[in-house]
Amino acid sequence: DAMVIQNPRYQVTQFGKPVTLSCSQTLNHNVMYWYQQKSSQAPKLLFHYYDKDFNNEADTPDNFQSRRPNTSFCFLDIRSPGLGDAAMYLCATRSHLQGFFYEQYFGPGTRLTVT
Amino acid sequence: AQSVTQLGSHVSVSEGALVLLRCNYSSSVPPYLFWYVQYPNQGLQLLLKYTSAATLVKGINGFEAEFKKSETSFHLTKPSAHMSDAAEYFCVRMDSSYKLIFGSGTRLLVRP
Repeated sequence: DAMVIQNPRYQVTQFGKPVTLSCSQTLNHNVMYWYQQKSSQAPKLLFHYYDKDFNNEADTPDNFQSRRPNTSFCFLDIRSPGLGDAAMYLCATRSHLQGFFYEQYFGPGTRLTVT
Repeated sequence: AQSVTQLGSHVSVSEGALVLLRCNYSSSVPPYLFWYVQYPNQGLQLLLKYTSAATLVKGINGFEAEFKKSETSFHLTKPSAHMSDAAEYFCVRMDSSYKLIFGSGTRLLVRP
């Protein structure tokens, strides 16, 4: 089945230690998103890629970076995690093609714990 | 500003009872609207979507929603709740740049 995969599902890192979360997709969608979701809150968009074009949200901290080496993969790098970065990180994809009704397909998420 | 309002952060129903989760949107043009469900420690799964083709939209797991322009509402319903329906539900609209605008979410609790 075509899907969005996130690895790892659970990640523990130390305060200030860089961490990378990964997302891959078999849907061949050209748009990929990263969201941060804190406990009991709605997801918050961090940034997205339209093909290789990177689009950062205005309020996304510089501590968060992303890479998209090819259509299938996208990475979220947190350069110096703080305790406030503990959250669920969700990857989503969308097709730009007409008729796909613009819905986003979400991965299962990576829960990040910062100790 | 475009927004989505979900009434009730928690809704509790008995198993077998009607589920009604409320959502109102603000928009000057017909919106794209979605309901997503999130089970604990999972990603979001699309339940259903409104794309102006029909005002009554049927989704997965027996859920449906009715788009009412006069009330700017898109409430989610299910005739009979199951224990497995316990989850967080998000009403979502898409803005003009295809970004998702989320409601604050409603946690559905199903009592045995």
